[in-house]
Amino acid sequence: NAGVTQTPKFQVLKTGQSMTLQCAQDMNHNSMYWYRQDPGMGLRLIYYSASEGTTDKGEVPNGYNVSRLNKREFSLRLESAAPSQTSVYFCASSVWPTYEQYFGPGTRLTVT
Amino acid sequence: AQKITQTQPGMFVQEKEAVTLDCTYDTSDQSYGLFWYKQPSSGEMIFLIYQGSYDEQNATEGRYSLNFQKARKSANLVISASQLGDSAMYFCAMRENSGGSNYKLTFGKGTLLTVNP
Repeated sequence: NAGVTQTPKFQVLKTGQSMTLQCAQDMNHNSMYWYRQDPGMGLRLIYYSASEGTTDKGEVPNGYNVSRLNKREFSLRLESAAPSQTSVYFCASSVWPTYEQYFGPGTRLTVT
Repeated sequence: AQKITQTQPGMFVQEKEAVTLDCTYDTSDQSYGLFWYKQPSSGEMIFLIYQGSYDEQNATEGRYSLNFQKARKSANLVISASQLGDSAMYFCAMRENSGGSNYKLTFGKGTLLTVNP
């Protein structure tokens, strides 16, 4: 039981490059989330998926797209990376009734 | 307007003493949930404690307790008998319904706790 896994752990991109962050969970959770964490800002929700086949915008969706590939996997895509997207990205999943978030280990992304 | 406010950017406590980390929230929902997470310097997010809005008793988990004052909209975390390993960033979060069966969490900006020997 690996919980929530994320790949890659670290990534450096040049401005304008694209990449996809991968997330998978093996806990049979319906809901999955992508957050970014910046110094002094806490965690901010980018996108979430309440169930397979649905996605919704969070607080800071601009510059990102997501895909809920199946119940296990939820990917985050940066189409044209910008230095403002330098951050630590966390994927999480949750389950009814408390919706406690189970977090992955994070991806540290630097855009130069 | 901020939905979760943590007014203490940093806190210091002596080992073995108790410490309270403040959290206030803003919601018009009747049903909501409050969480505390710990983030050590290694970066992972660790769930500590949960309080539902209808729970009459304050939540406790080992050395952690949540001082829930509904009328004041506060959900302070109390750590008893602090240990050096408690040094970390602590985040308060609130679960709200965002429509239908959609639920999401909003996080505060965090409090950095340092435990001194």
